[in-house]
Amino acid sequence: EAGVAQSPRYKIIEKRQSVAFWCNPISGHATLYWYQQILGQGPKLLIQFQNNGVVDDSQLPKDRFSAERLKGVDSTLKIQPAKLEDSAVYLCASSLNPDRGKNSPLHFGNGTRLTVT
Amino acid sequence: GDSVTQMEGPVTLSEEAFLTINCTYTATGYPSLFWYVQYPGEGLQLLLKATKADDKGSNKGFEATYRKETTSFHLEKGSVQVSDSAVYFCAGTSGSRLTFGEGTQLTVNP
Repeated sequence: EAGVAQSPRYKIIEKRQSVAFWCNPISGHATLYWYQQILGQGPKLLIQFQNNGVVDDSQLPKDRFSAERLKGVDSTLKIQPAKLEDSAVYLCASSLNPDRGKNSPLHFGNGTRLTVT
Repeated sequence: GDSVTQMEGPVTLSEEAFLTINCTYTATGYPSLFWYVQYPGEGLQLLLKATKADDKGSNKGFEATYRKETTSFHLEKGSVQVSDSAVYFCAGTSGSRLTFGEGTQLTVNP
């Protein structure tokens, strides 16, 4: 099966600019996650969707980050305006159901590496 | 809240050496525990998991046993290979979000 697709692979922007990342999950996976992975740290959940509804966005900095999954398939994550501390790898993951991997593991994309200068 | 603590890295070993990467967790209830691996330039992949106490997860020669009494899920492999060089993440969930440890960089030299 095709894996989780993400684009772009790399992005360099200046602070205060805007940026958007795209994710296409594995076909049939209802649950989609966006994680932020700062260099040297483990991934941190930003937002979780179940189909096109938000399940958990408690760690999303909502003043500058937004995400949507309008048709319950693809998703976009946007940062506006970007700060230096947003430099990180943004990982998208999907799973069959929302039990957070107890029986349905998360499948990760290769990520988008964002550098904010 | 839930937390996962991994041994501080990085770890450098010679080929065929024994590997242990420690992981302990703090959670309400009884979490499911996982090890994910991230090879250079790739996304995270599930390596193994255990969903209840005394379960042993295993894959590709790696093993980890869910120890409730010590709240641990240490990753072991009897003989590492150069191809095992990667970053290894311990993770856990107990009905709340999946929480990752900081990751341990493993380098295996020929």
